[in-house]
Amino acid sequence: EIVMTQSPATLSVSPGERATLSCRASQSVSSNLAWYQQKPGQAPRLLIYGASTRATGIPARFSGSGSGTEFTLTISSLQSEDFAVYYCQQYNKWPPGTFGQGTKVEIK
Amino acid sequence: EVQLLESGGGLVQPGGSLRLSCAASGFTFSSSAMSWVRQAPGQGLEWVSSITPSGDGTYYADSVKGRFTISRDNSKSTLYLQMNSLGADDTAVYYCAKDSPVATIWGQGALVTVSS
Repeated sequence: EIVMTQSPATLSVSPGERATLSCRASQSVSSNLAWYQQKPGQAPRLLIYGASTRATGIPARFSGSGSGTEFTLTISSLQSEDFAVYYCQQYNKWPPGTFGQGTKVEIK
Repeated sequence: EVQLLESGGGLVQPGGSLRLSCAASGFTFSSSAMSWVRQAPGQGLEWVSSITPSGDGTYYADSVKGRFTISRDNSKSTLYLQMNSLGADDTAVYYCAKDSPVATIWGQGALVTVSS
């Protein structure tokens, strides 16, 4: 099973600043990686798939990059509604589609 | 608008059974693979199971294989998860999700608590 490791566990960022979240796979997953956002008490929401393609309705301030084992989710200018937990998920070797443990983006 | 509405969650004793349902609307259900993903309290996401659009292919996480059964009724636009031999480790919010392996739309979740 491919293990996904996200860092940092918690990221403290001021509104308007850039946030950079990392996700590392234990082996190559090509570009078969998705990012999800989860706010407290809500279901997750798909942000990015194919490592860099934004899902429908996702603002352009969210961008994904990387391939192989190293991936990055960048939020260019954090808005108040962006403070949440973010998960990466590989689907190159599926099933199972393994998730990372999450990165919490909190207000600094 | 695409909507997924889970039901059937609740409190069940260890060793018991429960069936979750997910009513879908706003899209062609019979053309979409569907998934269940769960989240234990305060924990991350865990993929549980997926099913092909016609229902002829089913996939399970090792943690639930042999105990859970995913199925669908395309005439009712409804997805199911039959859960047997439940243990404390199965306590979680269970989300129904459209598509697989990438979950594009998620339901609001159904809480399953396994406790005596």
